[in-house]
Amino acid sequence: GAVVSQHPSWVICKSGTSVKIECRSLDFQATTMFWYRQFPKQSLMLMATSNEGSKATYEQGVEKDKFLINHASLTLSTLTVTSAHPEDSSFYICSAGPWGSGTDTQYFGPGTRLTVL
Amino acid sequence: AQKITQTQPGMFVQEKEAVTLDCTYDTSDPSYGLFWYKQPSSGEMIFLIYQGSYDQQNATEGRYSLNFQKARKSANLVISASQLGDSAMYFCAMREGIEAAGNKLTFGGGTRVLVKP
Repeated sequence: GAVVSQHPSWVICKSGTSVKIECRSLDFQATTMFWYRQFPKQSLMLMATSNEGSKATYEQGVEKDKFLINHASLTLSTLTVTSAHPEDSSFYICSAGPWGSGTDTQYFGPGTRLTVL
Repeated sequence: AQKITQTQPGMFVQEKEAVTLDCTYDTSDPSYGLFWYKQPSSGEMIFLIYQGSYDQQNATEGRYSLNFQKARKSANLVISASQLGDSAMYFCAMREGIEAAGNKLTFGGGTRVLVKP
């Protein structure tokens, strides 16, 4: 099946710093990628839809200036958490699906665990 | 209103027995897809099974089957012959619209399954 990778798999940073997370589709092109956030013992919540070559679409309540998304190519989307604070500590997961695949599933990356001290 | 509801926060199942995980959904879109994912403690989201709204037959994938009752808007997952490795969090998700790549998934709250030896 299709493979989506994420880097890094985990990161620990100090409060106030910025962290960049990469999401790559390894064997297909993805015009759209999705970024989810998952707090402990909770479900996945969609943060934003990343669109190649255009601005991301953010879900209600998600600060677009804090969570910067760049989808610069058909295989790479990045999420930058700017001026991270402890409340941003979470598990961030991206997903993507091969366009034109019809009703196939989306594929998830392995996730990035962010801890802000 | 919740679009995807999983009413069982957690359940135990005896090894080698079958277990049914409940999922109900709400949508007015005639084209939609329903998914089940497994999330072990590592955090990765593992795709299990997919059911399209126009599919006439219930989906099956190995030990997984989806009991799709369209009129009741339910999509229960049945795991047969449970194994210890089935212990994980299980999420039901829905995509509204026909194209997988461009449409986000909405997740239920999840059900934690613990298989007892």
